[in-house]
Amino acid sequence: AQSVTQPDIHITVSEGASLELRCNYSYGATPYLFWYVQSPGQGLQLLLKYFSGDTLVQGIKGFEAEFKRSQSSFNLRKPSVHWSDAAEYFCAVGPNNAGNMLTFGGGTRLMVKP
Amino acid sequence: DSGVTQTPKHLITATGQRVTLRCSPRSGDLSVYWYQQSLDQGLQFLIQYYNGEERAKGNILERFSAQQFPDLHSELNLSSLELGDSALYFCASKGSGYEQFFGPGTRLTVL
Repeated sequence: AQSVTQPDIHITVSEGASLELRCNYSYGATPYLFWYVQSPGQGLQLLLKYFSGDTLVQGIKGFEAEFKRSQSSFNLRKPSVHWSDAAEYFCAVGPNNAGNMLTFGGGTRLMVKP
Repeated sequence: DSGVTQTPKHLITATGQRVTLRCSPRSGDLSVYWYQQSLDQGLQFLIQYYNGEERAKGNILERFSAQQFPDLHSELNLSSLELGDSALYFCASKGSGYEQFFGPGTRLTVL
């Protein structure tokens, strides 16, 4: 069965600093990988996705993620964090079948210091 | 705005009661997924419907059921509610691609 691990429960960065959120997955085949962001009281917004091809994918709000098969990782990065990026971030993996339900990691709560 | 709508936004009820959560998918999306988000379990997949038929089941309790109607909206029915059912319930829809688009959620509080 697939699983997703986000090792960091909380991360605090200063505004303007770079950010990297870690995600490791366990999956038997080539996974479909996603990053979602959840602002307080809001639903989940899709930041970016990886299905195949170029292992560096660009998303919305200046985020990018890199798929590394050898490390079973799909880390999310942003070169310069804004205060509005404070939120909870979820990595998810989806199976390559008709069901395509998502398995989520536990989430990483990002706090941004002024 | 994802295009997925959920009602109600908040629901407060008592133990033993039954509630119905409603979801309208994005226009044209045939797949609807239900997820539960709780502090102790995180985000968990409950059930999926595709064009009116149940397609996949996850960690859904027997007290919970769902259906998808001909107009493609879906309802999640939760019965014999327990304190532990308090959570945020999300609906997501999917079209021909692989990404899922989430609604704003329904926050259920069981007292």
